[in-house]
Amino acid sequence: KAGVTQTPRYLIKTRGQQVTLSCSPISGHRSVSWYQQTPGQGLQFLFEYFSETQRNKGNFPGRFSGRQFSNSRSEMNVSTLELGDSALYLCASSFRTSGSDEQFFGPGTRLTVL
Amino acid sequence: AQSVAQPEDQVNVAEGNPLTVKCTYSVSGNPYLFWYVQYPNRGLQFLLKYITGDNLVKGSYGFEAEFNKSQTSFHLKKPSALVSDSALYFCAVRDMMGAAGNKLTFGGGTRVLVKP
Repeated sequence: KAGVTQTPRYLIKTRGQQVTLSCSPISGHRSVSWYQQTPGQGLQFLFEYFSETQRNKGNFPGRFSGRQFSNSRSEMNVSTLELGDSALYLCASSFRTSGSDEQFFGPGTRLTVL
Repeated sequence: AQSVAQPEDQVNVAEGNPLTVKCTYSVSGNPYLFWYVQYPNRGLQFLLKYITGDNLVKGSYGFEAEFNKSQTSFHLKKPSALVSDSALYFCAVRDMMGAAGNKLTFGGGTRVLVKP
């Protein structure tokens, strides 16, 4: 069974640009969550999508948005990039939401904002 | 609000010695607790979870964790550490009530260095 895949693996952007990251969950998983990992703030929850609906949202500005498609694939978008958005963005999938299932993480997308 | 504390930024241990990584948590209801490991330039890899029942949970690669409700702790242990266990370890909590969906709250991480 294929794991969670994220594309691209690395991105370099400049301030003010926007970026779209993609996540394909494990087959059959309907919940996709996104996390930001930085040395200073650690791992922080961005949002979760389940069956194409945003289930929960973390404390991030509106420049961070996401969506989920009918095949459970998810994208997140960051507009008007700032230097502080440089981070590893991790996607995680699970079968259910609010259950006891563990989440499976992808390898991440490393975003560098210059 | 949920929170997780990992009081040690780094743990150093000699190969073959026992390894313990500490974690304490705070959650309004009953918790789901998880341990993940991260190797360089990789995502997080699931090790084990506590849902309910036996306080001693066994996971992957010889790791286990002990849930202690009175001390609100969930320490990760391995009886005999390997050099290959050197990595970054994260403890995470989720509220069993599910109001926050699948949102995990992570601790700050503990870097484990196992020396030959």
